[in-house]
Amino acid sequence: GAVVSQHPSRVICKSGTSVKIECRSLDFQATTMFWYRQFPKQSLMLMATSNEGSKATYEQGVEKDKFLINHASLTLSTLTVTSAHPEDSSFYICSAWDSDFYNEQFFGPGTRLTVL
Amino acid sequence: DAKTTQPPSMDCAEGRAANLPCNHSTISGNEYVYWYRQIHSQGPQYIIHGLKNNETNEMASLIITEDRKSSTLILPHATLRDTAVYYCIVEAPLSRGNKLVFGAGTILRVKS
Repeated sequence: GAVVSQHPSRVICKSGTSVKIECRSLDFQATTMFWYRQFPKQSLMLMATSNEGSKATYEQGVEKDKFLINHASLTLSTLTVTSAHPEDSSFYICSAWDSDFYNEQFFGPGTRLTVL
Repeated sequence: DAKTTQPPSMDCAEGRAANLPCNHSTISGNEYVYWYRQIHSQGPQYIIHGLKNNETNEMASLIITEDRKSSTLILPHATLRDTAVYYCIVEAPLSRGNKLVFGAGTILRVKS
């Protein structure tokens, strides 16, 4: 299957700072990327859908001004958590899709964010 | 509302088959059944998917009932490394914009 990477794998930051998480498709071009958030002992919650070259579509209840998503190329999408607070501490996971993989999405390994 | 219902947890002995059920009584004609799993602190891993025929790959088999209202994922010889949360997801073909929405899943514990 195709490979999706995330960077960093874990990050610790102070409250009020912004954190950028990268999601890269390593061996394919991803026209669409998805961002999920997962709190401890809970399931994955879809945050937004990111299409290359256009604005992201956010799920209901997700603040677009707080979670900035940029999908500037076919291999890279970034999620920036602005003015992070302790309640933003979570496991952030991206997935990627392309028309070559009609019925599969490939997930990254996740990024553990801890806000102090 | 969740499209699927799965038991919250199951145990399986190492080396035995693990049979994970999923109910999807409201599945529509163009929707597939997808199975993913998530090992602790990792991203989800694709296992298998199917529309109406049974499917098999190197990881697992998927048995879908004739009325498509339920399915079973079978891991033929479970190992300790198969301990994970297994998600059954019903969704239209994952064409551009279609999203995978995860429910609570089944925690499978494989024990020696």
